Amino acid sequence: GQNIDQPTEMTATEGAIVQINCTYQTSGFNGLFWYQQHAGEAPTFLSYNVLDGLEEKGRFSSFLSRSKGYSYLLLKELQMKDSASYLCAVGDSNYQLIWGAGTKLIIKP
Amino acid sequence: IAGITQAPTSQILAAGRRMTLRCTQDMRHNAMYWYRQDLGLGLRLIHYSNTAGTTGKGEVPDGYSVSRANTDDFPLTLASAVPSQTSVYFCASSASGITDTQYFGPGTRLTVL
Repeated sequence: GQNIDQPTEMTATEGAIVQINCTYQTSGFNGLFWYQQHAGEAPTFLSYNVLDGLEEKGRFSSFLSRSKGYSYLLLKELQMKDSASYLCAVGDSNYQLIWGAGTKLIIKP
Repeated sequence: IAGITQAPTSQILAAGRRMTLRCTQDMRHNAMYWYRQDLGLGLRLIHYSNTAGTTGKGEVPDGYSVSRANTDDFPLTLASAVPSQTSVYFCASSASGITDTQYFGPGTRLTVL
């Protein structure tokens, strides 16, 4: 079967760095997305990786290793507004996105 | 309208009733999607449409139907609601296929009693 695994919850301190991991097993691979979802709101796009390596976008970076079925989202200089759930999603061979359950990130002052 | 809208925002529905959730986008996106989101689970795809006039089944299509008469609108119908359909429903759109960013509507919170 297809599976996306992420930690359920993580806690970090304002100003620090946090890494959220995502491992996947899917039939085929058509890219990996990270979305941010604040409580009670819709998911919003953060990053997209289709090739191995690191993609940097401001305070957020995303890494992909296709051979290991692994990605991580790195958040630097954490701010209170980064408290949210972070969703990992992978495109499969049927050209559908398979979503992880999300990682709830709690930022403490 | 800017982006993607959904209606209603929330709804309480008696089991057995018929309900249509509305979704409209003004970005001229070809692809549209309906997801449900339940606590502890990832977003699950109900139905999708790659272009106007075509629809397809996702991971959890049973009990739901969709239509795509034009580019902008993608309504989701529950023919006879059951309590297990209590969920938050998100509509999304993308320029073409899954390699494009999906933009989500604000969601509809549906409770079936």
